Amino acid sequence: LAKTTQPISMDSYEGQEVNITCSHNNIATNDYITWYQQFPSQGPRFIIQGYKTKVTNEVASLFIPADRKSSTLSLPRVSLSDTAVYYCLVGRGGGADGLTFGKGTHLIIQP
Amino acid sequence: DAGVTQSPTHLIKTRGQHVTLRCSPISGHKSVSWYQQVLGQGPQFIFQYYEKEERGRGNFPDRFSARQFPNYSSELNVNALLLGDSALYLCASSLDWGRVDEQYFGPGTRLTVT
Repeated sequence: LAKTTQPISMDSYEGQEVNITCSHNNIATNDYITWYQQFPSQGPRFIIQGYKTKVTNEVASLFIPADRKSSTLSLPRVSLSDTAVYYCLVGRGGGADGLTFGKGTHLIIQP
Repeated sequence: DAGVTQSPTHLIKTRGQHVTLRCSPISGHKSVSWYQQVLGQGPQFIFQYYEKEERGRGNFPDRFSARQFPNYSSELNVNALLLGDSALYLCASSLDWGRVDEQYFGPGTRLTVT
């Protein structure tokens, strides 16, 4: 399974754009990149998933370069409620190996 | 629509005891997975069930077992509890198995072993 590396923590301010980068040098050809968000004492929540180039939905964008060895989650105009742990996952998703979570990035948004 | 539900919300047990945690998936979802999340760590995969059969198992001892019922709900059982089993136990459901798919997580059961 591909291992991911992401910053342990990040700080930003309300209204700013936040970019969290994840490294996954050993990503396999059939692996997808998925980001989850988790608030304290809640289960993780799916944010976005992509395979290559750029994916955008109503809450975030995901940028994946051609070599797919890294990815960047972009959160536009963050608010205090975006304070959470963000996990970058690489793999086939719901297969027999389950989802492999690292320690995630603790994002703290300040007023 | 109701999301993934888990019961109980909180639980306190003593070392050596047995515990059963329950999960009801989103209506129409046939796959249920269980995860253990220790404080400060990301969730760790325990089991996945699809159509009542175990389809995946993480690196957990045999004290951990699970099953899935005909209505796709699931139970996680842990025997001979250890202090290290204290964690948030998460259940996730998805439509199918073996697909690149979203997993929908429940709120978890907070287990404390004393």
